[in-house]
This record gives sequence, C-alpha cells and structure tokens, in this order.
Amino acid sequence: AQTVTQSQPEMSVQEAETVTLSCTYDTSENNYYLFWYKQPPSRQMILVIRQEAYKQQNATENRFSVNFQKAAKSFSLKISDSQLGDTAMYFCAFMRIQGAQKLVFGQGTRLTINP
Amino acid sequence: GAVVSQHPSRVICKSGTSVKIECRSLDFQATTMFWYRQFPKQSLMLMATSNEGSKATYEQGVEKDKFLINHASLTLSTLTVTSAHPEDSSFYICSARDRLNTGELFFGEGSRLTVL
Repeated sequence: AQTVTQSQPEMSVQEAETVTLSCTYDTSENNYYLFWYKQPPSRQMILVIRQEAYKQQNATENRFSVNFQKAAKSFSLKISDSQLGDTAMYFCAFMRIQGAQKLVFGQGTRLTINP
Repeated sequence: GAVVSQHPSRVICKSGTSVKIECRSLDFQATTMFWYRQFPKQSLMLMATSNEGSKATYEQGVEKDKFLINHASLTLSTLTVTSAHPEDSSFYICSARDRLNTGELFFGEGSRLTVL
C-alpha cells in the first residue's frame, strides 16, 4: 500500500518569504501522479500543482514549484514570495496510474503567512 | 476548471435519522467519484469509490450499510448516512474524475454534518 508522509504539522513564515513544505511517499509503482492540494479555511480543496512521475522536469505553477526526487521518493513544495492568501492546510497526495486510482493523502501541513 | 457541487453544505439532524448528501459534476461527466471524511485538523480519509452504474467499493473499516452510496448517473453521486449518531458528525467531501481520465480529481465544497 502507498503511504504519504508530511513531517511538518505546522509552519509559519513572514509575508514575501520563501517556504518549503516537505513530503515523502512510499510506493513500489514506477508510474504515478503526485499532487499538492491547498485547503483554506473555506475547506474547499484546491489543486496547487501536479507532477507526473515519468517526467523528470519539476513542475512549476507561478509562485509554486516542486522538487521531485523520484529515487528518494521525495516531493517538496516551494512557495516563493509568499502571500497572506497562501495561509491554508497543504496536503501532499499520491495517485497510482494503474488500477484503483485513489488519492492517498499525507497528514497535512498547516501553513501560516504572517503580515 | 471543472466544477463539482455538493449539497447541502451544512446539515444538522437528530440521532437516528438518515441524511443524504449529493455530489454533482456540473460541467463534465464523472464515471468515478470518491467520498472522503475529514475530522477536525486531520487529513482526508477515503471512505469509498463510487462508480457509475455499479456498486461502490468501500475502504476497509467503512460500513457499507451505514454509508450508502449511489451513483445513478454520470453527474450525480449520493452519500446517505443511515441512522446517524453523534460520532458520524464530520466533514464529508466528494471528488470526481473527468470521464476523460486526465488524472486530476475535482473536489466539491464539502458538507458538514452535525448529529445531535
């Protein structure tokens, strides 16, 4: 079974700073998807960024980028020039490509951006 | 992006009653929908996978007779919490996969259930 681990329950940075959220996972699959989701106080899950395991290039989406290390099974999220609106819970998630395509979530990291 | 709508967003019911939560894909067809449960300050726990036209697949430890799932069309899945008890109080979230199966899941806004 796949597992996703986020070792940072909470993080706090000042506005405009850069912050990196950690995520590791365990799988025997070779092809899969990895995601970072944001859950603000409204509780709506919002996709931040997605990475296909077969792509070596790290995904980027404006201020959000990932450091995908397939051999180490690591998938960290970097938020540059952090904004107050980035305050939220962030979940790392894994999905197999073959078979049951279920999202497996990490425990989450509560990120607070301070003014 | 694709929109998934959940209704109701909040519901309060008495212990022993049944509550139905709807999950609709508004602008795409979803052959597969997923139901999650989220306790306060915790992660999302997958309850079941809902497949259009067939029986749902429940995760280990989830009572299928307690949490009835129906996926009668390509745009609607329902979760019915039967004979609700206070311990069923939680935040329930659905997600749907586009029929094109691009790998991305779209989430509903969630439904907060409070059982008195």
